[in-house]
Amino acid sequence: AQRVTQPEKLLSVFKGAPVELKCNYSYSGSPELFWYVQYSRQRLQLLLRHISRESIKGFTADLNKGETSFHLKKPFAQEEDSAMYYCALKENSNYQLIWGAGTKLIIKP
Amino acid sequence: DTEVTQTPKHLVMGMTNKKSLKCEQHMGHRAMYWYKQKAKKPPELMFVYSYEKLSINESVPSRFSPECPNSSLLNLHLHALQPEDSALYLCASSQTDRPAQYFGPGTRLTVL
Repeated sequence: AQRVTQPEKLLSVFKGAPVELKCNYSYSGSPELFWYVQYSRQRLQLLLRHISRESIKGFTADLNKGETSFHLKKPFAQEEDSAMYYCALKENSNYQLIWGAGTKLIIKP
Repeated sequence: DTEVTQTPKHLVMGMTNKKSLKCEQHMGHRAMYWYKQKAKKPPELMFVYSYEKLSINESVPSRFSPECPNSSLLNLHLHALQPEDSALYLCASSQTDRPAQYFGPGTRLTVL
């Protein structure tokens, strides 16, 4: 079954420390993966997609097919990074996204 | 215009009321979506429209009725809702050949 797992409901780190939000997936085909972020009282926003291999707001994510992972990383966390982060996988045959449960990231000053 | 807009921002309704949620985008996207999101949970897909035709209905109760009048607009008609339907209702859009979805700010619905 296709599934996205974000093992941490809550992740709390100090400002300036490295951050890694974990995402593992289960998918039989060639996956398309995304990270979405939801800041407090703001809309859900696309942060990264694995195809573009870009860095947004200092965040990067690399698809590791061997480990079926798409972890989100930032070397130095900022207080404004505090938000809810969702990893999502696109189903091959239609428009649906399969969502992870989300990780709440808190950056402590 | 690169945003998805939704109205109203907040809606309080009784169980016997009829109301509608509206969503609009002018990015030329031909796929549009309705999601329901409970607090601290990921969005749950309700409906997908592709080229103004309903392509996915995730077994949503008939008290929710979607409508896509044209390629820029998406409505969700609400009737005889239950208190457990209280949630944030999100609209999203995407290109049909690119899966990245762009979300509106949502309508916070409370059913009394």
